[in-house]
Amino acid sequence: RKEVEQDPGPFNVPEGATVAFNCTYSNSASQSFFWYRQDCRKEPKLLMSVYSSGNEDGRFTAQLNRASQYISLLIRDSKLSDSATYLCVVNGQRDNDMRFGAGTRLTVKP
Amino acid sequence: DVKVTQSSRYLVKRTGEKVFLECVQDMDHENMFWYRQDPGLGLRLIYFSYDVKMKEKGDIPEGYSVSREKKERFSLILESASTNQTSMYLCASKVTNEKLFFGSGTQLSVL
Repeated sequence: RKEVEQDPGPFNVPEGATVAFNCTYSNSASQSFFWYRQDCRKEPKLLMSVYSSGNEDGRFTAQLNRASQYISLLIRDSKLSDSATYLCVVNGQRDNDMRFGAGTRLTVKP
Repeated sequence: DVKVTQSSRYLVKRTGEKVFLECVQDMDHENMFWYRQDPGLGLRLIYFSYDVKMKEKGDIPEGYSVSREKKERFSLILESASTNQTSMYLCASKVTNEKLFFGSGTQLSVL
């Protein structure tokens, strides 16, 4: 089993739609969780950290469910500029060992 | 602003060549990483380093070695490049329990 697994993509949604991605992780001792965004042929960039109580940043909401070992990302009122690949990142067995999901591709269409 | 710099954006090498990929960070981070990214496979960890001269293997270390002689610099070495090492290579750095900062990547083609 992969350490970090994401929803298979691609997700194709119209502008203004709400879309949600899930990501499951295998290491119950994981401490740090993040969502990264990666545009085509660019490096990943941090979208938001995920905190135990859940957190929101504008149209983006991230949640953590430790009991079920998954994190989620909700995007409301999708914009064309949200089109990208979204990567789930979890620290692995070792504290400084960051592991990535394979990514979920989102395309927002007019 | 935070900066992770990779020495080359694009690199073309021949099979059997020794290849050095350099990465420098200016944030005094103790942890540095090398990943490769391939379509459909996502980012896979090659090696990471948690201190000067310290290194640990990631998921796919075969065919690679690393060097960290100074805190700010982490080098990835392909001793004898092969065509299956054609990929995007991403360097990253971080402090413990904090987010990763990435370099802009090196697209390596081995012919």
